[in-house]
Amino acid sequence: QVQLQESGPGLVKPSQTLSLTCTVSGASISSARDYWSWIRQHPGKGLEWIGYIYYSGSTYYNPSLDSRVTISVDTSKNQFSLKLNSVTAADTAVYYCARFNFDSRGYPNFDYWGQGPLVTVSS
Amino acid sequence: DIQMTQSPSSLSASVGDRVTITCRASQGIRNDLGWYQQKPGKAPKRLIYAASSLQSGVPSRFSGSGSGTDFTLTISSLQPEDFATYYCLQHNSYPWTFGQGTKVEIK
Repeated sequence: QVQLQESGPGLVKPSQTLSLTCTVSGASISSARDYWSWIRQHPGKGLEWIGYIYYSGSTYYNPSLDSRVTISVDTSKNQFSLKLNSVTAADTAVYYCARFNFDSRGYPNFDYWGQGPLVTVSS
Repeated sequence: DIQMTQSPSSLSASVGDRVTITCRASQGIRNDLGWYQQKPGKAPKRLIYAASSLQSGVPSRFSGSGSGTDFTLTISSLQPEDFATYYCLQHNSYPWTFGQGTKVEIK
């Protein structure tokens, strides 16, 4: 059974760095088939795709966050991480880690997600 | 970025009702669209891919249609377990973007 579990502080001060780690069990983060992603959901709002990392280290970041975000992978620990710099109250959200891959017809599927902790930015 | 405009933002319906949710893309996305269901406190789950293909294990009362810019998710006969929030997701071009969501509530 594939499971993803986020960990990290639930409260971050403005201007500091939000850091979250996603630990993957039941699957190898080095799988050539899978991509590892971060998605956030502002309170009462829709979903925003932050970006993804592939086991090789290649990444894609949403341009709306590109200058502030870094996603990294640690294959030895089967983990990947999110860092978001210079946070403000607007970064308060539920942060999900999720796996996606492409089905036989080439369509992406976010098939496993973490529980999604709420991260609050406040002094 | 491609903007996905989803409507309505919420609706109230009764068990057995037919429910239709629409998503409009700001530019053509072929059929590069999926529909996801999210229940309170849970992560989203894909229902439909390629705009109209049913995900394995999803009840046949769910269906999707559309291509280009206009898409529809239909629940033919609403069941108690279908009360949730529904999102469309376009993956035609980066960054992939979600609709704002439609909350389906009990009437």
